[in-house]
Amino acid sequence: EVQLVESGGGLVQPGGSLRLSCAASGFTFSSYWMSWVRQAPGKGLEWVANIKQDGSEKYYVDSVKGRFTISRDNAKNSLYLQMNSLRAEDTAVYYCARDKYGAPQPWGQGTLVTVSS
Amino acid sequence: DIQMTQSPSSLSASVGDRVTITCRASQGIRNDLGWYQQKPGKAPKRLIYAASSLQSGVPSRFSGSGSGTEFTLTISSLQPEDFATYYCLQHNSYPPAFGQGTRLEIK
Repeated sequence: EVQLVESGGGLVQPGGSLRLSCAASGFTFSSYWMSWVRQAPGKGLEWVANIKQDGSEKYYVDSVKGRFTISRDNAKNSLYLQMNSLRAEDTAVYYCARDKYGAPQPWGQGTLVTVSS
Repeated sequence: DIQMTQSPSSLSASVGDRVTITCRASQGIRNDLGWYQQKPGKAPKRLIYAASSLQSGVPSRFSGSGSGTEFTLTISSLQPEDFATYYCLQHNSYPPAFGQGTRLEIK
């Protein structure tokens, strides 16, 4: 069974940094693209970023370019999202998901990031 | 960037009703579209991929159709567990984009 478990969320001040992690199991992690999707409280879904199997290709939504970095460690079956220069509008539940052609499925349970002073 | 316009934003229906949700893409996306269901406090779950293919384990009362710019999700006979929020997602070109969501409520 595919399992994706996010961690690393929490409260951070505006301008601060946070690193999210996603531990994957139940499938051959190194064979799949992986992605991050977020959902602000009470709002809809927003695709954030994805990364190719070997990390050689990465894509980002414009609103996070230059501030967020997606990465992975295939030896540890783990996906990461380094978030810098955080803003109030980055407050959201962040989901990691296995990705095929840009379509996330399945998803983890999510981790909440709150950016507030 | 491709924009997805989903309608209606909310919908009240009764158990046993047939309901249809629509997504329109700002430009053609072939059949690179999925439909997701999200229940409160839970992660989204994909119901339909490639516009009309049923995800494994999803009940057959869910169906999808369309290609190009117009897409529909149909639930043939609503069940109590279907009351949730539904999203479409285009993944034809970067960045992938979700529709605004349709909240399906019990009448």
